[in-house]
Amino acid sequence: SQKIEQNSEALNIQEGKTATLTCNYTNYSPAYLQWYRQDPGRGPVFLLLIRENEKEKRKERLKVTFDTTLKQSLFHITASQPADSATYLCALPPISNTGNQFYFGTGTSLTVIP
Amino acid sequence: SQTIHQWPATLVQPVGSPLSLECTVEGTSNPNLYWYRQAAGRGLQLLFYSVGIGQISSEVPQNLSASRPQDRQFILSSKKLLLSDSGFYLCAWSDRLTQHFGDGTRLSIL
Repeated sequence: SQKIEQNSEALNIQEGKTATLTCNYTNYSPAYLQWYRQDPGRGPVFLLLIRENEKEKRKERLKVTFDTTLKQSLFHITASQPADSATYLCALPPISNTGNQFYFGTGTSLTVIP
Repeated sequence: SQTIHQWPATLVQPVGSPLSLECTVEGTSNPNLYWYRQAAGRGLQLLFYSVGIGQISSEVPQNLSASRPQDRQFILSSKKLLLSDSGFYLCAWSDRLTQHFGDGTRLSIL
């Protein structure tokens, strides 16, 4: 089955700095990879999707990279703000077109300190 | 636009009691539907998914069951709750690319 590893420890950074979160995966080559944000007591919310032929994708202060050789995605939040504090999950799609199971990492808890 | 509703938001139940959590989706038809459980500090554990009415796939053996009586309705049930059933339950629908989650039900078993 698919194995996904994210930063194992919580990440604390100072406001205004860039936060970088890591997602590593094994066992297959996904056509795309996704990042979600989860606030305490809420469901995850989709943020960004990056396809295997895209090296980088940006959305406002968010940037995602996808290295299919390293089997790794990096998620960056530039000019971080306390409101960015949350848990961030990476996810992979079903293994085949006929599959239905998405695979989620355990998440990285980010705290932005004012 | 599509919305997903999940209720109740919190639930406290005694051991051995039954359970029924409901999830409905609006604004889309024939979605794939999912039930997840998330333990504190843990990842999302897929419990069930459904690709259509009456079609349920179970990912792990457990004390729970799921049903899909209508296209946009997904129900999670148990006849007798165990202490280990405590957790945060999330319903989601998929448009084949991404997943869209409800706000979850916090279930506490006493």
